[in-house]
Amino acid sequence: KQEVTQIPAALSVPEGENLVLNCSFTDSAIYNLQWFRQDPGKGLTSLLLIQSSQREQTSGRLNASLDKSSGRSTLYIAASQPGDSATYLCAALMNRDDKIIFGKGTRLHILP
Amino acid sequence: DTAVSQTPKYLVTQMGNDKSIKCEQNLGHDTMYWYKQDSKKFLKIMFSYNNKELIINETVPNRFSPKSPDKAHLNLHINSLELGDSAVYFCASSQLDRAGGYTFGSGTRLTVV
Repeated sequence: KQEVTQIPAALSVPEGENLVLNCSFTDSAIYNLQWFRQDPGKGLTSLLLIQSSQREQTSGRLNASLDKSSGRSTLYIAASQPGDSATYLCAALMNRDDKIIFGKGTRLHILP
Repeated sequence: DTAVSQTPKYLVTQMGNDKSIKCEQNLGHDTMYWYKQDSKKFLKIMFSYNNKELIINETVPNRFSPKSPDKAHLNLHINSLELGDSAVYFCASSQLDRAGGYTFGSGTRLTVV
C-alpha cells in the first residue's frame, strides 16, 4: 500500500531564504507526482507536475525533483517571500490502480 | 474563467437533511473526482467518473452518491447527513490518462449541526 509522507509537518523560515520541502513515497510504481499549494480556506493550486520519466521540473522560483529509486521528491523554493506561506501537498499517482495518494502536507510560514 | 467550479462554497445544514454540491469543469477533461479533506487536512478520494461511468468507488457510505449529467459536471448528493460528514469536499478533473495532472476546485466547506 502506497504511503506518502511529507516532512516536516510545519516550517517557519525568514523571508529571502531558500528552502526545501520533502516528500517520500513507499511504492516507486508511480505514474507521476504533483505538488500543490493550499491557502487557508482555499482550494488546491497545482504548482508542478513531474512525470515518472522526468527528474525535475521548474517554474519560476520553484523546482521539483523526483527520484523514483529512492522514493523521494523535493520542492525547492528560492528566495522565499511572505506570499509563499501556505500548505504544500505532494500527491503520487499510482500506475497500478490510477489512485492518487496525497501526503498530509507541510505548513510553510515565511517570516517577514 | 474558473476551470473547476464548485457551488456552494459554504454549506451549513442540520443532521438528517439531504444536500447536493455541484461541480463543473470547462477544461474538456474526461474524468472528474470528489475528494474529502478531513479535520486533519488529509485528502482522500471518494469517487471518480469517466464518461458517466464510475471507475473508482472508495469505501464511502452509500449515503453519498455522485451524479454526472455530462462529462463536464459531477455533482455530489448526500442523504441523511451526519455530524461526521462535516469536512471540506473538493472536486477535481483530469484527462483520462492523468498525464496533465489534476485541477482542483476551490472546495465546499460542509458543516453539519
